[in-house]
Amino acid sequence: QKEVEQDPGPLSVPEGAIVSLNCTYSNSAFQYFMWYRQYSRKGPELLMYTYSSGNKEDGRFTAQVDKSSKYISLFIRDSQPSDSATYLCAMTTFNTGKLIFGQGTTLQVKP
Amino acid sequence: DAEITQSPRHKITETGRQVTLACHQTWNHNNMFWYRQDLGHGLRLIHYSYGVQDTNKGEVSDGYSVSRSNTEDLPLTLESAASSQTSVYFCASSSFIDTDTQYFGPGTRLTVL
Repeated sequence: QKEVEQDPGPLSVPEGAIVSLNCTYSNSAFQYFMWYRQYSRKGPELLMYTYSSGNKEDGRFTAQVDKSSKYISLFIRDSQPSDSATYLCAMTTFNTGKLIFGQGTTLQVKP
Repeated sequence: DAEITQSPRHKITETGRQVTLACHQTWNHNNMFWYRQDLGHGLRLIHYSYGVQDTNKGEVSDGYSVSRSNTEDLPLTLESAASSQTSVYFCASSSFIDTDTQYFGPGTRLTVL
């Protein structure tokens, strides 16, 4: 079993929809949780990060962490065609740089 | 602006050849990392370095090596390329203060025939 599980999709939604992307993990030592966005044939770019359980909001994006359930989510409100990309969750114990990534979920937002 | 670059962007080579992929960053970051990305596996850590003369093995280091002679560069060498090493390779860097917040390069697509 992988340390981090992420549904690869693909996920297709209409413009304006609310999107929910999820990852589960097995290592309770993970303390730092990140979401990366990767456009086709580009490098991953950091979208959001959080250290603690609860919600963190940045514009249309909300990252949610539930350490008791070992479950993290990324919500995208009012999704746009420009949000079409692969979204990767990543996590680590703390300050080691040894990130463990999920497989990535491919999202397509249709106009 | 500070950036991280990789070269070449595309490479085709033959089985058994030695290949070196370059990574250069102008962030002045202490930490540098190499990952490979394959369908069904996401990104996996190959090697990493916390500073000059420091190198460490990651999850999938067999068949790869790195050396760190300065802050800006961390070249990745495939000693004897194998078809299983066909992949997209990403370099990343992070600061000493915030090791886990990594910035990625554009990637190198390597095909081993």
